[in-house]
Amino acid sequence: ETGVTQTPRHLVMGMTNKKSLKCEQHLGHNAMYWYKQSAKKPLELMFVYSLEERVENNSVPSRFSPECPNSSHLFLHLHTLQPEDSALYLCASSQGGGADTQYFGPGTRLTVL
Amino acid sequence: AQSVTQPDIHITVSEGASLELRCNYSYGATPYLFWYVQSPGQGLQLLLKYFSGDTLVQGIKGFEAEFKRSQSSFNLRKPSVHWSDAAEYFCAVGARNQGGKLIFGQGTELSVKP
Repeated sequence: ETGVTQTPRHLVMGMTNKKSLKCEQHLGHNAMYWYKQSAKKPLELMFVYSLEERVENNSVPSRFSPECPNSSHLFLHLHTLQPEDSALYLCASSQGGGADTQYFGPGTRLTVL
Repeated sequence: AQSVTQPDIHITVSEGASLELRCNYSYGATPYLFWYVQSPGQGLQLLLKYFSGDTLVQGIKGFEAEFKRSQSSFNLRKPSVHWSDAAEYFCAVGARNQGGKLIFGQGTELSVKP
């Protein structure tokens, strides 16, 4: 596969569930990002990892827990979410952590019941 | 405060007509500017970017954008719209020393009528 892939593409979970979103980039990049896209709102940056180190945590609630085991993989662990967390979660990667072009995956559509 | 404004939430143009999508930004540092497009159910695809140099930049799919520092604008244009251009368009701004942090506008949804 090429580019940035995300699994699953769709996820429905209850508020008491624990689930994880997965992102994989095949571009040899060193930085990876999680964004939240809600209806009628700008994309919100959640987390940034550069060389597997978290460099940005944009005041995200602790019920979202990121993990970056290596430069190609990024996870977002979810637990005890709220209905307002329902959104499209986008992963992106870039060569560096500066203003390099970010390449996006197709996203995971999350619905919290 | 740093921000990106896309004044038009929704625009409808006829196929073959010209298009201009507006983007204004407020940013303290020298900005790097991007336009992305998102088709339904898809992630964002880069159309073009401006880092420095020539203020008129060419992108994919026949799009271009012009950086006007005096107006803090980076408007996207296309001379002749195709039905396949119907999508949502996002303007974003970043800077070299901002750790990869991009600020996105709210997006402009483009509809194309036959």
